[in-house]
Amino acid sequence: EAAVTQSPRNKVAVTGGKVTLSCNQTNNHNNMYWYRQDTGHGLRLIHYSYGAGSTEKGDIPDGYKASRPSQENFSLILELATPSQTSVYFCASGDSSQNTLYFGAGTRLSVL
Amino acid sequence: GEKVEQHESTLSVREGDSAVINCTYTDTASSYFPWYKQEAGKGLHFVIDIRSNVDRKQSQRLIVLLDKKAKRFSLHITATQPEDSAIYFCAASMDSNYQLIWGSGTKLIIKP
Repeated sequence: EAAVTQSPRNKVAVTGGKVTLSCNQTNNHNNMYWYRQDTGHGLRLIHYSYGAGSTEKGDIPDGYKASRPSQENFSLILELATPSQTSVYFCASGDSSQNTLYFGAGTRLSVL
Repeated sequence: GEKVEQHESTLSVREGDSAVINCTYTDTASSYFPWYKQEAGKGLHFVIDIRSNVDRKQSQRLIVLLDKKAKRFSLHITATQPEDSAIYFCAASMDSNYQLIWGSGTKLIIKP
């Protein structure tokens, strides 16, 4: 079974603070993704990566940076957190040869 | 760009009955249509998909129908069981995971 682990599971941050969300996958998948989930919006893609050292902008990248230091790890960084970034964030991994995505359990972020 | 609309935000059916969740898409170039299930407090996991070269696919109690003319696809869950209770998301893409555009989710409630 493919495994994607996110940490932390819950985070409360202050406006203007820096937040780092971490994701680790043991699937040896090339592709990794960061989504946010908001009521009424479904999932929206923030950043994605094709492999170590690569990051690409998704549909809503403003206010977020991403880092892929290794095949296994993909981080999402909020340098200056704002209340509008309060959301649930999901990391996913996928193989280029098949379309199925494997999701982590999510990180609930509140920015006060 | 592509938009995916998921028409029912909540659907309630009696245990043993069938449930139907409908989605529409706008881009005729979309060719891949997966469905994912999200149980309470967890990440999404893949349940079934359909590609544009067929109009019907079945996996046990799950049936996906695709109407390319109407740009509509639907998930049918037959003989519903309590464990089918979850949020179901549809998505569409031109066959690359990073281009998945998601619906807003349908909360399926199975009543005893």
